[in-house]
Amino acid sequence: KNEVEQSPQNLTAQEGEFITINCSYSVGISALHWLQQHPGGGIVSLFMLSSGKKKHGRLIATINIQEKHSSLHITASHPRDSAVYICAVSGPNTDKLIFGTGTRLQVFP
Amino acid sequence: EAGVTQFPSHSVIEKGQTVTLRCDPISGHDNLYWYRRVMGKEIKFLLHFVKESKQDESGMPNNRFLAERTGGTYSTLKVQPAELEDSGVYFCASSAQGYEQYFGPGTRLTVT
Repeated sequence: KNEVEQSPQNLTAQEGEFITINCSYSVGISALHWLQQHPGGGIVSLFMLSSGKKKHGRLIATINIQEKHSSLHITASHPRDSAVYICAVSGPNTDKLIFGTGTRLQVFP
Repeated sequence: EAGVTQFPSHSVIEKGQTVTLRCDPISGHDNLYWYRRVMGKEIKFLLHFVKESKQDESGMPNNRFLAERTGGTYSTLKVQPAELEDSGVYFCASSAQGYEQYFGPGTRLTVT
């Protein structure tokens, strides 16, 4: 069992839909990261959070430390949101990242 | 400001050959990380430099892999001799202490 689990693995949506991607982890962490990779593109950091909630544009990330769970929400989804979304955690005594397998999102017009 | 750069973007070599990957971090970032994604699997940590020192090399698969960061600037990752299972995408990332990591575009290594 991976230390970081994401669900779903694949997700399709119609433009405008509200999207949720989930991440659960089983290790102690200092921070949780949400990353995005477009097809053929590099990895971009979306959020780094250790508690509560962060918002950037149409993206919202939340974390529940007690339940070891985080969610990434996309409001009013758009085809340009189509990408792989990756959850990763960094431990309490290290900055190295432990990655989930990613969620492939496709948003259709 | 220039981002993290990696060279080459793609390398195809034969089993037994040597390949050297290079990463140039964002200027001023003391932390430099190497990660690898093998096809179908999640990205895995290889090692972490703080300036020129290896902070954590627990993810290095075996002694065929050698990483250096001379002068605390760019880093190289050498694979010698390459094996088929070394194929994958090698990512480099850099960060300032305690901050988010910025990733390079990756080097796709194919060993035939």
